[in-house]
Amino acid sequence: DIVMTQSPDSLAVSLGERATINCKSSQSVLYSSNNKNYLAWYQQKPGQPPKLLIYWASTRESGVPDRFSGSGSGTDFTLTISSLQAEDVAVYYCQQYFGTLPTFGQGTRLEIK
Amino acid sequence: EVQLLESGGGLVQPGGSLRLSCAASGFTLSSYAMNWVRQAPGKGLEWVSAISGSGSSTYYADSVKGRFTISRDSSKNMLYLQMNSLRAEDAAVYYCARNLVAGTGGPNWFDPWGQGTLVTVSS
Repeated sequence: DIVMTQSPDSLAVSLGERATINCKSSQSVLYSSNNKNYLAWYQQKPGQPPKLLIYWASTRESGVPDRFSGSGSGTDFTLTISSLQAEDVAVYYCQQYFGTLPTFGQGTRLEIK
Repeated sequence: EVQLLESGGGLVQPGGSLRLSCAASGFTLSSYAMNWVRQAPGKGLEWVSAISGSGSSTYYADSVKGRFTISRDSSKNMLYLQMNSLRAEDAAVYYCARNLVAGTGGPNWFDPWGQGTLVTVSS
């Protein structure tokens, strides 16, 4: 199975500042035939199910604010929130779907400093 | 509106069985791969099982293979997870989640998700 490792485990950022979350896969999730990275990002707020933010590593899901962006390729990926808002407090997960069996990172808790 | 509603959770003794259900509305369940994802209290997300859009393939995490069975009833637009030989480590909120994009293949990325149903395994 592909192991996903996120860093840091928790992060505190001031309102309006940039937040950066990293995700590393144990093997490449870049499919050479279509040049797509099989990597998604989710946001989970307390007491709620996860919400899809980004897929194909950098494609924003419909309705997701443009302050959220994804980047990276191969084994190293980043979720960036350009200007942190109070409503962005949540746990963020990366997920690979390159392998037959999807796997998630352990999560990164984002708080306000 | 696309919605998923899980039910069937509850308290079960170790070694017992439980059947979870997920009622889909606003779309045709058989057009999408469907998934079960769980979250133990205070822990992260763990993908558990999926059934392909075609219904011909099923997928399981190693932790549940041989004990859990995923199925669907297209006529009722329902997804199920039969859980046998339950262990303490199976205790979690179980979410039903749809692949974002319709297709005949297996699991990829998930949206929407249901609100979840809680399974407690304890004597």
